[in-house]
Amino acid sequence: QTVVTQEPSFSVSPGGKVTLTCGLSSGSVSTSYYPSWYQQTPGHTPRTLIYSTNTRSSGVPDRFSGSILGNKAALTITGAQAEDECDYYCALYMGSGIWVFGGGTKLTVL
Amino acid sequence: EVQLVQSGAEVKKPGESLKISCKGSGYSFSTYWIAWVRQMPGKGLEWMGIIYPGDSDTRYSPSFQGQVTISVDKSITTAYLQWSSLKASDTAMYYCARQDPYGLYYFDNWGRGTLVTVSS
Repeated sequence: QTVVTQEPSFSVSPGGKVTLTCGLSSGSVSTSYYPSWYQQTPGHTPRTLIYSTNTRSSGVPDRFSGSILGNKAALTITGAQAEDECDYYCALYMGSGIWVFGGGTKLTVL
Repeated sequence: EVQLVQSGAEVKKPGESLKISCKGSGYSFSTYWIAWVRQMPGKGLEWMGIIYPGDSDTRYSPSFQGQVTISVDKSITTAYLQWSSLKASDTAMYYCARQDPYGLYYFDNWGRGTLVTVSS
């Protein structure tokens, strides 16, 4: 079964830059997987941040950006703010109507 | 305004059955896939399966195939997730989410979730 990998946790200083990644247990992530990213504050509904690798969802600040870095999808936050401290999930479309979420990254801003 | 309104929290005993719902409004319900996503306490998001209301075409994650049933009643723009025999390990928050219909493959709207607690 396909496993989508994310860093369990990451830290960034306020105002700093951080890149979270989304990989596959076997193979490389490409744009063909349509990587998307979701932000979730504990106890709240997920919020869509990025779709189709690098398109920001409506209302998402431009400090969030998506890309492919090497063999992984990446979410970069440039100029991290305190309110960015939460969980981030990537999702990959595997084809044939099947999706897989990554395990999530808990981001700390300190 | 697009809305996915989920049914309220449930408390059930092991072995009981349950059906939770997700009512879509503000858009053409039949033309958007609706997914179900599980989040166990303190854990991450898990994609369970997805249904196309137009023809009830349904896909399941291998992890959830045979464990749950996803269905839809497009006449009342509502998707369902059901269990025939709940286990304590089914305790989780369950979200429905709408998939973008334009081939961009992402979830563009989410319900607020239904908390299911299974305890004896």
